[in-house]
Amino acid sequence: DTGVSQDPRHKITKRGQNVTFRCDPISEHNRLYWYRQTLGQGPEFLTYFQNEAQLEKSRLLSDRFSAERPKGSFSTLEIQRTEQGDSAMYLCASSNSRDTRQPQHFGDGTRLSIL
Amino acid sequence: GQNIDQPTEMTATEGAIVQINCTYQTSGFNGLFWYQQHAGEAPTFLSYNVLDGLEEKGRFSSFLSRSKGYSYLLLKELQMKDSASYLCAGGNAGNMLTFGGGTRLMVKP
Repeated sequence: DTGVSQDPRHKITKRGQNVTFRCDPISEHNRLYWYRQTLGQGPEFLTYFQNEAQLEKSRLLSDRFSAERPKGSFSTLEIQRTEQGDSAMYLCASSNSRDTRQPQHFGDGTRLSIL
Repeated sequence: GQNIDQPTEMTATEGAIVQINCTYQTSGFNGLFWYQQHAGEAPTFLSYNVLDGLEEKGRFSSFLSRSKGYSYLLLKELQMKDSASYLCAGGNAGNMLTFGGGTRLMVKP
C-alpha cells in the first residue's frame, strides 16, 4: 500500500493558462475525492467518483473545472483559463465504499500558484 | 448541507491535556471524523464517531453527542509534535466530508 499519490506537488503558472493534476488512489479503493484547501482553512469538497462514475459535484466547481476517472483508477482534475482565485492546495483522497467506517486517505496535494 | 464550527486557535503546555470542541448542523449526517494536519502536509485520520459516546485510541479520544450536534477531541500527555491543525469533519451518505476551518494547536514547553 503506497498511499494516495498526487502529481505534481507544486505548479506555478500564469493567469489564463490551463493546468491538469493527477491523483493515483490506494489501489483497492473505489471512491476518489477532490478537495481544495486555502491557507488557514479546512478542505472544501469539489467532487467525487465511485469507480468511473462522477457522483457528486460541488457548486464550487465552476465550468472551468473538469474531473475525470476514465478507468476507475487514477483521476485528473483540469482547470481551464486559470484565475488568481484558483491558487490553493488541491487534495485528493480515496476510500472504500464497502465500509463507511473506513476513513478517507489523503494525498500530499498539489499546490497551485497563479501569477 | 452541513455547517461545522471549531475554535481557530488553542495553546497548551507540553504534558497537559487539551480538549478541542466541534459543533455541527447537518442533514444526512453519517459520522464525525477528526483529522490532524501538519503545515504543508496531508490531513491524516485520527478518529471516527457515528454513535454517541467516547472512542479512545491511545493518547487521543473523541466524543460525540448526536442530539447536541457536538463532538470533541481530547489529547492527553501533549507532546511538541502534537502542534498541528485539527480538522473536524462531518460525513454524509456518500462519505463526502464537510470540514470545519480547523483548530491550530500550539504546544509550548
